Amino acid sequence: QIVLTQSPAIMSASLGERVTMTCTASSSVSSSYLHWYQQKPGSSPKLWIYSTSNLASGVPARFSGSGSGTSYSLTISSMEAEDAATYYCHQYHRSPFTFGSGTKLEIK
Amino acid sequence: DVQLVESGGGLVQPGGSRKLSCAASGFTFSSFGMHWVRQAPEKGLEWVAYISSGSSTIYYADTVKGRFTISRDNPKNTLFLQMTSLRSEDTAMYYCAREDYSYYFDYWGQGTTLTVSS
Repeated sequence: QIVLTQSPAIMSASLGERVTMTCTASSSVSSSYLHWYQQKPGSSPKLWIYSTSNLASGVPARFSGSGSGTSYSLTISSMEAEDAATYYCHQYHRSPFTFGSGTKLEIK
Repeated sequence: DVQLVESGGGLVQPGGSRKLSCAASGFTFSSFGMHWVRQAPEKGLEWVAYISSGSSTIYYADTVKGRFTISRDNPKNTLFLQMTSLRSEDTAMYYCAREDYSYYFDYWGQGTTLTVSS
């Protein structure tokens, strides 16, 4: 199966700071099938970025995604309080459709 | 509006069985593939199972293969997960999720909690 490794596991950022988290796949994943979800405590996950770089409906433009092959990233250009959450990458390249272990983003 | 409402969770003894349901509304259920995803307490997301729109294609995670069965009733707009031989490690919040035509999960339910304990 394709293992997705997210780093860091936990990070904190100050308001206004640029944030980048990564997702590394154990084998190549088509960029069309690499997605990101945001989850806040007590809530269901929400689609956040699909197909590497496309923002889901309602996602602020300060978010961006990039990558190819085995290396992907999610970037926030300027951290805001509402961005504190856990972010999961997910691959649909091949079954089983695995998730990364998540990056928990906190406010410093 | 698209709605997915899971039900059927609860407390089950190890070795027991349980059937989860996911009632769908607000879209043409029979046109979309569906998934089950679970999340153990304080843990990350784990994909569990997939069923295509017409039930012709089904996939399972290795951790549940042979014990869980995904199915759907399109006329009743309902997705199911039949779980047998339950273990403590199956304790989790179980979410159903709709698969968009571009192979991501665009809508999720609120989840139903399953606890496997004696």
